[in-house]
Amino acid sequence: GENVEQHPSTLSVQEGDSAVIKCTYSDSASNYFPWYKQELGKRPQLIIDIRSNVGEKKDQRIAVTLNKTAKHFSLHITETQPEDSAVYFCAAGYSTLTFGKGTMLLVSP
Amino acid sequence: GAVVSQHPSRVICKSGTSVKIECRSLDFQATTMFWYRQFPKKSLMLMATSNEGSKATYEQGVEKDKFLINHASLTLSTLTVTSAHPEDSSFYICSALIATSGTYEQYFGPGTRLTVT
Repeated sequence: GENVEQHPSTLSVQEGDSAVIKCTYSDSASNYFPWYKQELGKRPQLIIDIRSNVGEKKDQRIAVTLNKTAKHFSLHITETQPEDSAVYFCAAGYSTLTFGKGTMLLVSP
Repeated sequence: GAVVSQHPSRVICKSGTSVKIECRSLDFQATTMFWYRQFPKKSLMLMATSNEGSKATYEQGVEKDKFLINHASLTLSTLTVTSAHPEDSSFYICSALIATSGTYEQYFGPGTRLTVT
C-alpha cells in the first residue's frame, strides 16, 4: 500500500516568513495529492491539491509542487500570518487517501 | 460547496454500550464515504471505506464486528461502535468522496468526539 512521510513534524516561523512542508510517497500509482489544514478540534479543510499531470499549482499565498520522478511534493506558504497556525496534513492516493503524520505550524506575531 | 455533516458532535457513553455516529452529505450524493479515527496530536487513520449498497471495506487491524458501518443511502453512512470500551475513546471523522470527470476530492465532516467512561 501507499506510505506517506511528512516533514517537519513541527515548524515555527515569524509572521511574514515563508513556510515549507515536504512529503514523500511510495506508490507510483498515486495521482492525487491534496493538502489539508486542521485547526484544533475541527475538521480537516482542503486548502490546495495537485494532480499528477501538473508540476506546480498556486493559490494566492499557497503553492504546491510535485515531483513524480522523485515521488515528493511540497506545500509552500508565503507571507505567513498568525491565522495560518494549524496542523497541516499531506495525503496521496487516488480515491482512497493515505495521510502524512502532520506538521504543526506555529506563526508568531 | 460540498458540505458534510456529522452527528453527534460529542458523545459520552458508558463502557459496554453502543454508540451510533451519522455522516451525511448535505448537498451532493456520495456513493463512497470514509471513516477515520484520529488520536490527539496524531494523523488521520483510515478505518474503513463505506460504499452505498454494499459491505464496507475495512483496513487491516480494524474489527468489523466492533465498528459496524452501514451506507444505506447516497447521503448517509453510519458508524456504530459496539460494546464500547475506554480505549475506543477518540475523534471519529467521516469524509465523503466527490468524483468529477475521473478526479476525486474528499470533504470531511466536523468529527465526533467519543468518550467512553
